[in-house]
Order: sequence, then structure tokens, then C-alpha cells
Amino acid sequence: DQQVKQNSPSLSVQEGRISILNCDYTNSMFDYFLWYKKYPAEGPTFLISISSIKDKNEDGRFTVFLNKSAKHLSLHIVPSQPGDSAVYFCAASAYSGAGSYQLTFGKGTKLSVIP
Amino acid sequence: SAVISQKPSRDICQRGTSLTIQCQVDSQVTMMFWYRQQPGQSLTLIATANQGSEATYESGFVIDKFPISRPNLTFSTLTVSNMSPEDSSIYLCSARDNINQPQHFGDGTRLSIL
Repeated sequence: DQQVKQNSPSLSVQEGRISILNCDYTNSMFDYFLWYKKYPAEGPTFLISISSIKDKNEDGRFTVFLNKSAKHLSLHIVPSQPGDSAVYFCAASAYSGAGSYQLTFGKGTKLSVIP
Repeated sequence: SAVISQKPSRDICQRGTSLTIQCQVDSQVTMMFWYRQQPGQSLTLIATANQGSEATYESGFVIDKFPISRPNLTFSTLTVSNMSPEDSSIYLCSARDNINQPQHFGDGTRLSIL
């Protein structure tokens, strides 16, 4: 049972336009959400996060929106740049006991920004 | 943020052999983790590496197949034992200073078993 779902395996966007990556989750215990970016042959790089007590977090060109009632979050990139072309992973965190928070990842969305 | 180095970065191994992957963090961290990413799949947590005690394994992963060591707060190893082609994956080390910080990842070890 996949608790974090990224239903779009790929997305193509023109340079300068907005990129919107979506993520749905099923576990209501998740309370912290993260987006990671991954280039080929590199590990995932932390991009931005949001706590469940917020509905929006912004960092430069990147904004994450959280809709708890719909169990949905999205990552907006504005304006999109060719260097943003990568695989984006959505991850969610819940307390797993003994002071540990465990991350659950989606399968990723490959973003291609076309010059 | 912590810088995580993994080695080897890739390897091609024979069926039935074992390989140990090393993970070095440039600062002391509270938590270290090992993940697997099979082709086209998401990252799956194998285990949490506990300093000075046995690792905590997730469902579907066992110590005999994936023994883990963590002798101090900056270093951990994952061994993939008695490898079969199904073990061909990217194995990733991850670390976090505390629960209020995001996890960071190494570049992974790309493992192919013939």
C-alpha cells in the first residue's frame, strides 16, 4: 500500500513558466512533508519542507502548499529554469517511536524544463 | 548541513558474494539510515543504524541479509550478503542531526549483480 503517491511520472514545462508537482498521501499521522530534488548519479537533495500546522511555505522560487483536508501537497517552481530539470521526490514523516521520525517517499516526478 | 560520502559509488558483483558499503558523515549526527531504490521505484528504508547497538530493521529486511554497523556518530556500513540479481539497486546512506532538521543523503552506491 503506497502511502505517498506522485501520480505524474513526468512533467514538461517551458522555461520561465510555472512548474507544479503534485503529491497525495493517505496516512493522517503524517505531520511533516518534504520535497527532494535528484539529479542523475547523485543523491536526493533537500529542497523545501512544510509542517502540518502550516498551509504554505516559500523559499525563493519554490513554494510548497499543503491541503490537509484533501491530503494533498504541491510544489510550485516559478519561474522554471533548465537547471530545475531533475526528479522530484515527495516525502512525508510521522513519528515511529523511540524518538524517531521515519520518511516515506513517493516514486518521484521527472521534471523537464525546456529552454 | 551534513556532507555524506559513500563508497564505493558503484560496483558489479558476482552472484553469491557480499559487498560492504561505507558511509562517512563530516559531522556527528544523531541518526543514520540506509535506503534502497530499485529501478523505477521510490526510496525504501532498510534500517536505522543505531550507534553502539543493533540496527532497527524495517519489515521485509533482515540482519542476516543486510548487516549494519555504526561504531560512532559519523560512520556506518551496510553489507549486502549472498547477493542475487534481485539485489541490483541503488543503496543510499542518509543522516539527520535531530528531528527538527531534514535528512540529507549521500550520492548512493549503484550495485549490479551478475
